[in-house]
Formats: sequence, structure tokens, C-alpha cells
Amino acid sequence: DSGVTQTPKHLITATGQRVTLRCSPRSGDLSVYWYQQSLDQGLQFLIQYYNGEERAKGNILERFSAQQFPDLHSELNLSSLELGDSALYFCASSAIAGGPDTGELFFGEGSRLTVL
Amino acid sequence: AQSVTQLDSHVSVSEGTPVLLRCNYSSSYSPSLFWYVQHPNKGLQLLLKYTSAATLVKGINGFEAEFKKSETSFHLTKPSAHMSDAAEYFCVVSEGQGFSFIFGKGTRLLVKP
Repeated sequence: DSGVTQTPKHLITATGQRVTLRCSPRSGDLSVYWYQQSLDQGLQFLIQYYNGEERAKGNILERFSAQQFPDLHSELNLSSLELGDSALYFCASSAIAGGPDTGELFFGEGSRLTVL
Repeated sequence: AQSVTQLDSHVSVSEGTPVLLRCNYSSSYSPSLFWYVQHPNKGLQLLLKYTSAATLVKGINGFEAEFKKSETSFHLTKPSAHMSDAAEYFCVVSEGQGFSFIFGKGTRLLVKP
């Protein structure tokens, strides 16, 4: 168990809809990362937050947005969904600031999104 | 700028034979390097990491990797493959104490009985 919790585990929705994926990082980790994994694109970095602030942006579509709340949990919002958005969405957290786990990414089990 | 190249998209071995998964990296600074494993429909799990200590790093499940600065390589090896090793493996480079992570495209390991 990595300590990173993602909900929901599975989600089926229709094109044009909007969904929210939730992530609770490992206790004490300030940084949260979102990744998208699909068969054709592989593992793609979407966005990173550190202590509530956006830290880095990857290949995130304008239809997608994220935020990190004061309790450090994060949400990824996906809107105007398309068939191609069907993928496994991973959240990961890291400590960054000292300790034996510094610099290591801890992954959740992922949220599998199916857009019909 | 950082980058990671996993030289093989697929590797097939027989059970009981050695495993070699190749990774080359590019980094402007002293990098941290990681190998992660992903079993089907699971999250990524850390196998091992290099953070400027010993160049030969031992990980879980009998895997190890050697950091070779002169060759900018961090290849993953295991003396004897087991059926349960069949999975996808990702090589990752990080600079600056974990603020950014660059993933390779992954190598799918197939283990034949």
C-alpha cells in the first residue's frame, strides 16, 4: 500500500460529460502529480501541485483542470469528455523536503475512466 | 534538460534466464534515477532508486541496477526471471530533489515458461 488514495477506481460516463477524480496524497507529502496512461500515448504527465500551488504543467488539455486544497488532497476535473479521454488516471505524491523518501514518487492505484 | 530513453519497448525472456532492461538518461546535474514496475491494472511501484550513493543499487524482488556515469546508463538486471516479473518497467530521472520526474516510455517484459 503506497498510502496514496484515489477515488473512484472506475468511472463510466458519456461524451460531453464532466467528471472529477480525487486524490489523497501520502500523509505529509506536499506535492501531488497527475498522470494519464492510455494504450496509444503511454504514461503522460499532466500537472503537478506543491502545497496548493501549481508547480509544473505537462500535456494537459484545456478541458482539464486541477487544484490542490489546503488539506493537500487534489482533484482533477475533466470536462466536455471525448472518447479519447478514456484512460487510466494516476495520482502520485512525493515528500521533496528531506527524509529517506525524498524524491521518490508514490502512486495510487489509479482511476479508470471509460467514455462511451 | 533531462531525458530518458528506454532502448527496448518489449523484452522477452524464458523463466530462469537473466533479465536486462536498458535505460539511458540525459541530465545537466547529478540526477536521481529510479526504476518503477507496473503490473496489469495496477499502480506503479518503486523497484529501486539511485541517489548518488553506491553505484550498484539493489531493489526488491532480486532486481538491481548499476549507475554508469560515463555511459549515462542505468540498466536494470535480474539473474533469473520469474513468471511474476512479467510487467511493464519504467526508468525515471529526477533532478532537484524530486520536483520534476521524467519517465521513459516503458519496457514490457514477457516471461515465457
